[in-house]
Amino acid sequence: GAVVSQHPSRVICKSGTSVKIECRSLDFQATTMFWYRQFPKQSLMLMATSNEGSKATYEQGVEKDKFLINHASLTLSTLTVTSAHPEDSSFYICSARDAASLYEQYFGPGTRLTVT
Amino acid sequence: RKEVEQDPGPFNVPEGATVAFNCTYSNSASQSFFWYRQDCRKEPKLLMSVYSSGNEDGRFTAQLNRASQYISLLIRDSKLSDSATYLCVVNIPASGGSYIPTFGRGTSLIVHP
Repeated sequence: GAVVSQHPSRVICKSGTSVKIECRSLDFQATTMFWYRQFPKQSLMLMATSNEGSKATYEQGVEKDKFLINHASLTLSTLTVTSAHPEDSSFYICSARDAASLYEQYFGPGTRLTVT
Repeated sequence: RKEVEQDPGPFNVPEGATVAFNCTYSNSASQSFFWYRQDCRKEPKLLMSVYSSGNEDGRFTAQLNRASQYISLLIRDSKLSDSATYLCVVNIPASGGSYIPTFGRGTSLIVHP
């Protein structure tokens, strides 16, 4: 089946620093990747939709200057949390949609970010 | 009204029980529906797709009711290992003909001995 990797799996950083999270589709091409955030005991909240070669579309309430998304190739999208604060501590999950599919998506294993 | 709604539970059932979850959606133009399972602190895993004709996979049956705008998941003969959070996903139309996968908040299932 389709495999999506995410790196790092866990990161602890100090307040004010930036953190980059990578999402890769390993055996398929992903024209679209989605970035989600999940706080404890809550559902996945879509942050942004990342399309290869174009600007990401951010959901309402998500600051595009704080959460920088780059989708430079059909197999890689990155999310950079700039000037991280403790309230940014969360589980960040990416998913990738196969270029051949309108609906199916495959999830990465997630990145647990802790900002101290 | 939220776009996708689920009863968060928890549903607490004994082993061997049959349990059913529903998930309602507000946009009648939604396409393509899925059930995912999420274990604590892990990423969601696809459980099954949902079709109007119904979809059965072993002890799991999923159904779509377009008229009433909900999907359902039925689990028969519950196992301890079925304990997890079950998330429904509805693809909601967005601009440019694309569809955005939108999650419900999840329903927690606890199966006890």
